[in-house]
Amino acid sequence: NAGVTQTPKFQVLKTGQSMTLQCAQDMNHNSMYWYRQDPGMGLRLIYYSASEGTTDKGEVPNGYNVSRLNKREFSLRLESAAPSQTSVYFCASSESGTQYFGPGTRLLVL
Amino acid sequence: AQSVTQLGSHVSVSEGALVLLRCNYSSSVPPYLFWYVQYPNQGLQLLLKYTSAATLVKGINGFEAEFKKSETSFHLTKPSAHMSDAAEYFCAVSDGETSGSRLTFGEGTQLTVNP
Repeated sequence: NAGVTQTPKFQVLKTGQSMTLQCAQDMNHNSMYWYRQDPGMGLRLIYYSASEGTTDKGEVPNGYNVSRLNKREFSLRLESAAPSQTSVYFCASSESGTQYFGPGTRLLVL
Repeated sequence: AQSVTQLGSHVSVSEGALVLLRCNYSSSVPPYLFWYVQYPNQGLQLLLKYTSAATLVKGINGFEAEFKKSETSFHLTKPSAHMSDAAEYFCAVSDGETSGSRLTFGEGTQLTVNP
């Protein structure tokens, strides 16, 4: 099993550009999550999906949208990137409350 | 509302010394508590979790944590540090075990192991 996979690993954007971060899990988990990690701030929840067909805002949703494409895939979209969105983004899936993380996407917005 | 406080953003120990990373939590419901480890340029890996079965929880790589309700603490320990333990450690509290349960993370503690 690959677990949780994320693409791309690294991306550079210019201010105003858009992009979609992809996440997939092969563990048949119902719930999936998107976090951002910034130095000294731990991980902050952007959006999550409790089950296929549902999505909810987390702590820092502004500037992002998500799509739960099917049970396996959960994408995060930045419609108009801003320098404040420079961060490392992690996707996770969960079973019985325990979350399993992907390797992350490093995003730099210039 | 839940919160996690990790005391000490940086901890430095000598190889072979005791590792103690502190975590205090606040939760309005019986807590589910976790420790994760993050090695450089990698994702978070589960070290251990507390779900009320036992107050002393053993995890991977020789780590363990003790749940103390009276102190609202869940400190992480390892008797003898190894160079490979150098990483960032995160304590987290969950609001449940059902679908859609959410984790609240502490700010992390960077562990340095000196030879």
